[in-house]
Amino acid sequence: NAGVTQTPKFQVLKTGQSMTLQCAQDMNHEYMSWYRQDPGMGLRLIHYSVGAGITDQGEVPNGYNVSRSTTEDFPLRLLSAAPSQTSVYFCASSYTDWETQYFGPGTRLLVL
Amino acid sequence: GENVEQHPSTLSVQEGDSAVIKCTYSDSASNYFPWYKQELGKRPQLIIDIRSNVGEKKDQRIAVTLNKTAKHFSLHITETQPEDSAVYFCAARSGSNYKLTFGKGTLLTVNP
Repeated sequence: NAGVTQTPKFQVLKTGQSMTLQCAQDMNHEYMSWYRQDPGMGLRLIHYSVGAGITDQGEVPNGYNVSRSTTEDFPLRLLSAAPSQTSVYFCASSYTDWETQYFGPGTRLLVL
Repeated sequence: GENVEQHPSTLSVQEGDSAVIKCTYSDSASNYFPWYKQELGKRPQLIIDIRSNVGEKKDQRIAVTLNKTAKHFSLHITETQPEDSAVYFCAARSGSNYKLTFGKGTLLTVNP
C-alpha cells in the first residue's frame, strides 16, 4: 500500500492564483481531513470528510474548498491564494474519526 | 468548539530522565485523545492514544493518563533517549462532531 499520498511536495503561487492540492489514500479509509501547520500554531483542521459525498468545515475553512467524489481522493482547492495561506498542508485519513490518523508527507506552499 | 491547551511549549531533559507533557481540553463530551510525534521535516505519526473509558494506557516507555473530571491528559516518556527528540502534539476528539482538535505542540529535546 502507498498509504496517503500528496502532490505536489512544494508549490509557489502568486497572490490571486488558484490551485488544487491533491490527496489520495489506498487504505479504504472513510475519514479524511486537511490540516495546515504553521510555526507555533500546531495542526489546524481546514475541512474533513466522513465518507464519499460528505464534507464539513473545520477550524479554518475560509479560502478553501473540498469535495469527496470517491473514497480514495480528497482534493483541497485554494480559490484565490493569499500570503496568509503560506503554510505546510497535511492530508490525513483513518477508518473512523477516532482511530489512528495516517498523515501524508505534506505540501509546502508559498504564496508571494 | 473544543479547545486544547498544551504545556510546556518546550522541554529539555537529560538522556535517561522522564518527560511529561500535559494537555487540557474544554469539551466534557470529548472521548478520544491521541498523541502524535513529529520529527523535523516529517509527517506526524501516532504514538499512543486513549479513550474516555480508560484512565491509563502504557506502551513500553510511553504512557498516557486521563483525568476526565479535571479534563486533562498527560504523556509520560520514561528513560528518554536522543531519538525521542521531536515535537509532540496532543489532540482531542469532540463528542459532538467528528473533529479532532490539536494542541500547539511541545518541542522535546533529549540531551545526550
